[in-house]
Amino acid sequence: GENVEQHPSTLSVQEGDSAVIKCTYSDSASNYFPWYKQELGKGPQLIIDIRSNVGEKKDQRIAVTLNKTAKHFSLHITETQPEDSAVYFCAASFGAGKSTFGDGTTLTVKP
Amino acid sequence: GAVVSQHPSWVICKSGTSVKIECRSLDFQATTMFWYRQFPKQSLMLMATSNEGSKATYEQGVEKDKFLINHASLTLSTLTVTSAHPEDSSFYICSAPGTTYNEQFFGPGTRLTVL
Repeated sequence: GENVEQHPSTLSVQEGDSAVIKCTYSDSASNYFPWYKQELGKGPQLIIDIRSNVGEKKDQRIAVTLNKTAKHFSLHITETQPEDSAVYFCAASFGAGKSTFGDGTTLTVKP
Repeated sequence: GAVVSQHPSWVICKSGTSVKIECRSLDFQATTMFWYRQFPKQSLMLMATSNEGSKATYEQGVEKDKFLINHASLTLSTLTVTSAHPEDSSFYICSAPGTTYNEQFFGPGTRLTVL
């Protein structure tokens, strides 16, 4: 089955700096790669996603890049704000919405 | 659009009792829903896939007799934790696929505490 590795497990940045989280996946058949933000005691919220036919996608301060050959994808957050502090999960899936999640990254943005 | 709700948001029960958690898609229909379990500071682990009109598909290692899943309609799936024990205490989250490509919409989760 699919295996997703996520790094780093914790990340602390100063407000205004950029944050980068990286994931690798094992199954070359995976074709959908979402990123979720989870705040304490809440369900995950989709913040951005990318499909295997696209190399990069951007939405305001958030961007995701995908390297299919190397089987890795990354989340980039620019101009970080304290409200960006949360746990971020990457995931990979192929069809039917069934996803395999990374272990999560706890992002702390210091004001 | 694409809102998924869960009820209850939290529940405390005694060991040995059964607890039912509901997952509803509020503004769209879902023939499939997914149930996840998340322990503190850990990732989401898929427990089972709920299929409307047929039996659920359970992931390896998940006891189907303990975690009963019923997908009664196109907008409702229920997870019943039978004979709950303290080790079943966890955060249970459901999700439903959207109408476009593979995206999932997650519910807010249910915190189960078994005393």
